[in-house]
Amino acid sequence: AQSVTQLDSQVPVFEEAPVELRCNYSSSVSVYLFWYVQYPNQGLQLLLKYLSGSTLVKGINGFEAEFNKSQTSFHLRKPSVHISDTAEYFCAVTPTSGTYKYIFGTGTRLKVLA
Amino acid sequence: KAGVTQTPRYLIKTRGQQVTLSCSPISGHRSVSWYQQTPGQGLQFLFEYFSETQRNKGNFPGRFSGRQFSNSRSEMNVSTLELGDSALYLCASRGGETQYFGPGTRLLVL
Repeated sequence: AQSVTQLDSQVPVFEEAPVELRCNYSSSVSVYLFWYVQYPNQGLQLLLKYLSGSTLVKGINGFEAEFNKSQTSFHLRKPSVHISDTAEYFCAVTPTSGTYKYIFGTGTRLKVLA
Repeated sequence: KAGVTQTPRYLIKTRGQQVTLSCSPISGHRSVSWYQQTPGQGLQFLFEYFSETQRNKGNFPGRFSGRQFSNSRSEMNVSTLELGDSALYLCASRGGETQYFGPGTRLLVL
């Protein structure tokens, strides 16, 4: 079985400051990893994903994430945030084989302050 | 390619009624999953359909059911609505290993 932990339920940060949203996972099998963003009253939008290869993954809107297998982490980073980045961010994993059942974290609400 | 579409976008029902939500996946995707999202419980997996067969199921009562048609469109049905069923219902279609979400249907039960 897999589990995903997003320790920070809320992260306030000033505009143009860097941010890191943490994601740790637990799994006995290999997994693919994803970050999704949800703006108010909308569905989830794929930010980026790690399938294989380079552990540093770049996504949309200037976000990137680094897969660390030894620490079972997949933290999301952005060097300079904008007001428009205010949203909820979800980390998710799915096994690389089998039925691709997704396991989501509880989400981190990013609040960018002017 | 068109994205995942969900209809209706908003619904208001009263307790005891039933509701049917619809999801059209991205063209070529055969897997459709449904999620319930509430402020208290977060994102919870309902079920997944692949080629008209339910492949995975979450921990929800039998009032929640779904089906998938030969064109991969999916519907979910909730019978005997309860106040606690008020939520955003999200549909996701999967291409390969990646899920793509629709905008959701917001259901309010009065």
